[in-house]
Amino acid sequence: QKEVEQDPGPLSVPEGAIVSLNCTYSNSAFQYFMWYRQYSRKGPELLMYTYSSGNKEDGRFTAQVDKSSKYISLFIRDSQPSDSATYLCASREGAQKLVFGQGTRLTINP
Amino acid sequence: DTAVSQTPKYLVTQMGNDKSIKCEQNLGHDTMYWYKQDSKKFLKIMFSYNNKELIINETVPNRFSPKSPDKAHLNLHINSLELGDSAVYFCASSQEGAGASYEQYFGPGTRLTVT
Repeated sequence: QKEVEQDPGPLSVPEGAIVSLNCTYSNSAFQYFMWYRQYSRKGPELLMYTYSSGNKEDGRFTAQVDKSSKYISLFIRDSQPSDSATYLCASREGAQKLVFGQGTRLTINP
Repeated sequence: DTAVSQTPKYLVTQMGNDKSIKCEQNLGHDTMYWYKQDSKKFLKIMFSYNNKELIINETVPNRFSPKSPDKAHLNLHINSLELGDSAVYFCASSQEGAGASYEQYFGPGTRLTVT
């Protein structure tokens, strides 16, 4: 079992829809949770970062962590074609290595 | 200003050759990493260096040898290249230690193709 599981998709939604991206993880010691966005042929860029459980909002993006169910979510409101990318969730335990999910390929159709 | 830069961006070479990839960061971070991303986009850590000291060394063939001349640079040398080494290699950096956020910043990647 991978430490961080993510449905690779692909996921295709119409412009303006609310997008929900999810990951599960197995290591209960994970404390730091991140979402990266990766455009085609580019490096991953940090989108959202949360520590422990809770919600974090940044513009159209909301990250949620539920440590009791080991569930990580990213919501995108009013999705735009420019949001089309691969989204990678990642987690780590303190100073240990960052473990990535497989990434979900998202396409927003105009 | 590019925060994390890598050279070259593309590398096409034949099996059995030896090649190097270079990485530099100007963020003042103390930790640098090499990741490998396969064709299915799975990103896996290979090595990390903190202040020039090797911290993480995942199960990677010893044909791969990282070198950190200073904390702003991390190079990756690959000997006797194999077809399975074809992938995109990403360098990343972060600031570790007490109070750090551990956010990692990635370079643009080096697309290695072994023929």
